Amino acid sequence: QVQLQESGPGLVKPSGTLSLTCAVSGGSISSNNWWSWVRQPPGKGLEWIGEIYHSGSTNYNPSLKSRVTISVDKSKNQFSLRLSSVTAADTAVYYCAKSKGFRVGFDYWGQGTLVTVSS
Amino acid sequence: DIQMTQSPSSLSASVGDRVTITCRASQSISSYLNWYQQKPGKAPKLLIYDASSLQSGVPSRFSGSGSGTDFTLTISSLQPEDFATYYCQQSYNTPYTFGQGTKLEIK
Repeated sequence: QVQLQESGPGLVKPSGTLSLTCAVSGGSISSNNWWSWVRQPPGKGLEWIGEIYHSGSTNYNPSLKSRVTISVDKSKNQFSLRLSSVTAADTAVYYCAKSKGFRVGFDYWGQGTLVTVSS
Repeated sequence: DIQMTQSPSSLSASVGDRVTITCRASQSISSYLNWYQQKPGKAPKLLIYDASSLQSGVPSRFSGSGSGTDFTLTISSLQPEDFATYYCQQSYNTPYTFGQGTKLEIK
């Protein structure tokens, strides 16, 4: 049973950089799956941020591409998100998720972590 | 980006009712359509993938259909634990996009 756990600061200052890590347990991040970040502003819908494969290949949402970096650390079985130049609009619950397969939905999710952008 | 539009945005129903939620894509996505259930304070849960395949462990009262641009999620007989928000999501290409959600409430 794969488990994902997000970690990182819950408060980030405006213009700063949001950094989160997703630790994967019960499975290998080097398996044939893509690993994604998804966010959800309070009371709103879901937005896909981007994904990474264990080889380091990435795909990003064009709406965030200039500010997003997703990386993988195979030795620690985890992947990370960095979002720069944050504003209040980036306040959201951030989820990490595993794709069930190529072009298939997300079958495992972390519990989510709320990141608030405020001074 | 592919736009996903769900209807209705909210729905009131009773235990035992049959409920259908629709999702329309702005272009053809073949069968690359997934459905999720989300309860307050929880992560989304995958119910249906590839438009009609039931995710392991999901009750058989949930079913999905459709291809191309029009899709439906049906709950054959609502149970108390089914009251939640439902999202469709296309995985045809990136950026993956979600519908705005359908909130299913108790009548």
